[in-house]
Amino acid sequence: EAEVAQSPRYKITEKSQAVAFWCDPISGHATLYWYRQILGQGPELLVQFQDESVVDDSQLPKDRFSAERLKGVDSTLKIQPAELGDSAMYLCASSLVRDWGEQFFGPGTRLTVL
Amino acid sequence: DAKTTQPNSMESNEEEPVHLPCNHSTISGTDYIHWYRQLPSQGPEYVIHGLTSNVNNRMASLAIAEDRKSSTLILHRATLRDAAVYYCILIRGGSQGNLIFGKGTKLSVKP
Repeated sequence: EAEVAQSPRYKITEKSQAVAFWCDPISGHATLYWYRQILGQGPELLVQFQDESVVDDSQLPKDRFSAERLKGVDSTLKIQPAELGDSAMYLCASSLVRDWGEQFFGPGTRLTVL
Repeated sequence: DAKTTQPNSMESNEEEPVHLPCNHSTISGTDYIHWYRQLPSQGPEYVIHGLTSNVNNRMASLAIAEDRKSSTLILHRATLRDAAVYYCILIRGGSQGNLIFGKGTKLSVKP
């Protein structure tokens, strides 16, 4: 069964350092999402792509976060510089249909900022 | 976006049915009711969704009130593997499909 791949699974970094997360969606899924989940809370959307275009990044802290999906397939989320409050699980999801299609989530990247 | 209200936690015994409630009194006519669950240390996974009629799939059933102001996710025979946080989410038809997660209901299953 096709799955969303994410790497790394765990990342420990010091504040002010740069970190990057990678996501490979299910083949053929045009829509890709990045979510952030703080411990004890539900995930919250950071950015949504349709193919290579950003369709919603209203909740992305653009002063330090950036996301790209250059060829409309895999995607990278970057944080520079990392802050203590960025410690969270970063989840990638993809879907075949944009408006209300089932979203398939990857296992996430657990980020700890020291 | 319309909001949903769920109990913080519920307990169930293994092999018994579980009814997880969700209130969404401000739902609009084009809002779909989706349920996702998140097992420990995993990403969320889709469970079921519906608009007006009750829905069944291999994982669960979704019962939607006639006025659509509430719904219930039904697990017919809970297993230990069903212990998870269950999220009830409204998605407007024709929207960008963003999932707005609340805190969900943490389901514990006792052997």
